[in-house]
Amino acid sequence: AQTVTQSQPEMSVQEAETVTLSCTYDTSESDYYLFWYKQPPSRQMILVIRQEAYKQQNATENRFSVNFQKAAKSFSLKISDSQLGDAAMYFCAYRSLLPTFGNEKLTFGTGTRLTIIP
Amino acid sequence: NAGVTQTPKFRILKIGQSMTLQCTQDMNHNYMYWYRQDPGMGLKLIYYSVGAGITDKGEVPNGYNVSRSTTEDFPLRLELAAPSQTSVYFCASSYSGRPNYGYTFGSGTRLTVV
Repeated sequence: AQTVTQSQPEMSVQEAETVTLSCTYDTSESDYYLFWYKQPPSRQMILVIRQEAYKQQNATENRFSVNFQKAAKSFSLKISDSQLGDAAMYFCAYRSLLPTFGNEKLTFGTGTRLTIIP
Repeated sequence: NAGVTQTPKFRILKIGQSMTLQCTQDMNHNYMYWYRQDPGMGLKLIYYSVGAGITDKGEVPNGYNVSRSTTEDFPLRLELAAPSQTSVYFCASSYSGRPNYGYTFGSGTRLTVV
């Protein structure tokens, strides 16, 4: 079974600065998807960014980008120009691509709480 | 477009009571899921369904039951509530033809068992 590890329970960053959240995962598969979800105080889970394992190019969505290191099984999230609205819990998640019953589900890490300091 | 709708948003149960958490989606997604979120523990999968009439257990199914009679609805039943079931519950859905889209989540139900 796959596991996802987020080793930073809490992080803080000054407004307008850059912060990187870490995520590592364990899998024996070669094809999969990785995601970062944001959960603000409203509790709503919001997809921030996704990465397909077969793509070497790191995904980017506006101020959010990832550093995907497939060999190291690492998938970090970089937030540039941090804003107060970025304050939230961030979850890393893994999804298998194997067409096997039960592989459709996401496996989540335990999350990183990000605080933005004004 | 409503997406994934969960009801209720909050609920307090007494030990031993039962209840059903409702979940409905209007995106014609074939996959649906129930997760629980405990503080500092991330999200744990309770049950999931790959289509009407097909369900299976996740990591933490004990004390819960599900059914999927239609594509749209995936209710979660709690029987004989226990304090250990105090948690935030999320329903989610996805489409098998778009695995890279991840999930669409409901807004969650905060359940307290006293």
